[in-house]
Amino acid sequence: AQSVTQPDIHITVSEGASLELRCNYSYGATPYLFWYVQSPGQGLQLLLKYFSGDTLVQGIKGFEAEFKRSQSSFNLRKPSVHWSDAAEYFCAVAAWGRDDKIIFGKGTRLHILP
Amino acid sequence: DTAVSQTPKYLVTQMGNDKSIKCEQNLGHDTMYWYKQDSKKFLKIMFSYNNKELIINETVPNRFSPKSPDKAHLNLHINSLELGDSAVYFCASSQGRANTEAFFGQGTRLTVV
Repeated sequence: AQSVTQPDIHITVSEGASLELRCNYSYGATPYLFWYVQSPGQGLQLLLKYFSGDTLVQGIKGFEAEFKRSQSSFNLRKPSVHWSDAAEYFCAVAAWGRDDKIIFGKGTRLHILP
Repeated sequence: DTAVSQTPKYLVTQMGNDKSIKCEQNLGHDTMYWYKQDSKKFLKIMFSYNNKELIINETVPNRFSPKSPDKAHLNLHINSLELGDSAVYFCASSQGRANTEAFFGQGTRLTVV
């Protein structure tokens, strides 16, 4: 069965520091992968997605993610975080087929220290 | 112009009541979803509709009944509300297959007292 694991429930970094949020997936075929961000009290906004091609994908707000098939990973990175990046981040995999659905990881809460 | 809109944004109601949450998307998408986000922020799919047909029903109690009058709308009706139904419910839509992402509404925070 398809699944997504985000091993870190909380991450705290200082403003201006670099960030990496981990994501591992389990999927039998070529995965379609996403990172979403949820600010407090808000819906989910797509940061970036990977379907095929270049394994390093660029997203909005200065985020990027790298797909590594050998490690079944799709980690999210940002070279320098801003206080406004404090939010909940969700990695997701699309399971297309008879049942079209997007499966989410449990999320990583990002805290930013001033 | 909001792409996926849900109403109401907040809903407080007593146990045993029946309530509905409405969702509309103006993106022309074929597929719509309902997700439930619990207090630990875990997002779990409840239902998926494609062109008004039910595709996924993920072991949701039959007190929850989705209704899709047309492919732009997917409403969620909940009968006999229980305390455990308290959560944030998100509607989403996508073009359905391959090379698409889901677009989410702002959520409906349901509190059952």
